[in-house]
Amino acid sequence: NAGVTQTPKFQVLKTGQSMTLQCAQDMNHEYMSWYRQDPGMGLRLIHYSVGAGITDQGEVPNGYNVSRSTTEDFPLRLLSAAPSQTSVYFCASSYSTSAPGNTIYFGEGSWLTVV
Amino acid sequence: AQSVTQPDIHITVSEGASLELRCNYSYGATPYLFWYVQSPGQGLQLLLKYFSGDTLVQGIKGFEAEFKRSQSSFNLRKPSVHWSDAAEYFCAVGPQTGANNLFFGTGTRLTVIP
Repeated sequence: NAGVTQTPKFQVLKTGQSMTLQCAQDMNHEYMSWYRQDPGMGLRLIHYSVGAGITDQGEVPNGYNVSRSTTEDFPLRLLSAAPSQTSVYFCASSYSTSAPGNTIYFGEGSWLTVV
Repeated sequence: AQSVTQPDIHITVSEGASLELRCNYSYGATPYLFWYVQSPGQGLQLLLKYFSGDTLVQGIKGFEAEFKRSQSSFNLRKPSVHWSDAAEYFCAVGPQTGANNLFFGTGTRLTVIP
């Protein structure tokens, strides 16, 4: 995976704790997004951004906050973790939202367990 | 409504046999289609993508896929499966322009037996 870095790779949280999953890309990509992957459900979009200062909700946004203060970074915040947020989280990015055929790059994933 | 259906949850094939993984999509605009592969505990690796041109697209690792607009399908094929192909395969659809939000299928797990 070229240039999309997610941290941490593994995390265990207690219910009610907060944490931030970090995502950074060094490719000057306009578009960034967060997905969660659950068994038998594929990947579902949580939040996305089409540029610095612009964010929007995806299919499953509840319980998550995002911000995009720079082009490079798109952190995902869990304000009060719940067991239902146990999942694998993937960050993705692509260069342009106006040109067709963009390659969409995914990070390596962050495995989160909420106990 | 946008959706992707992968009707086969799990497929088992013998090494050296041919493979076809099915993908059907529902999308309101001209689709941008993908196949990704995921090995256990790993991230997503792009196998191939289609957004225009020749409807038969070649990807990495000897995979190919054919876009059939009339059938709303984008099936993945490989003529001879290797043991290292055992993984989970995801089909996805998204817009050609605008926010690159993808809709994923639920995946097909491939087991390869010697």
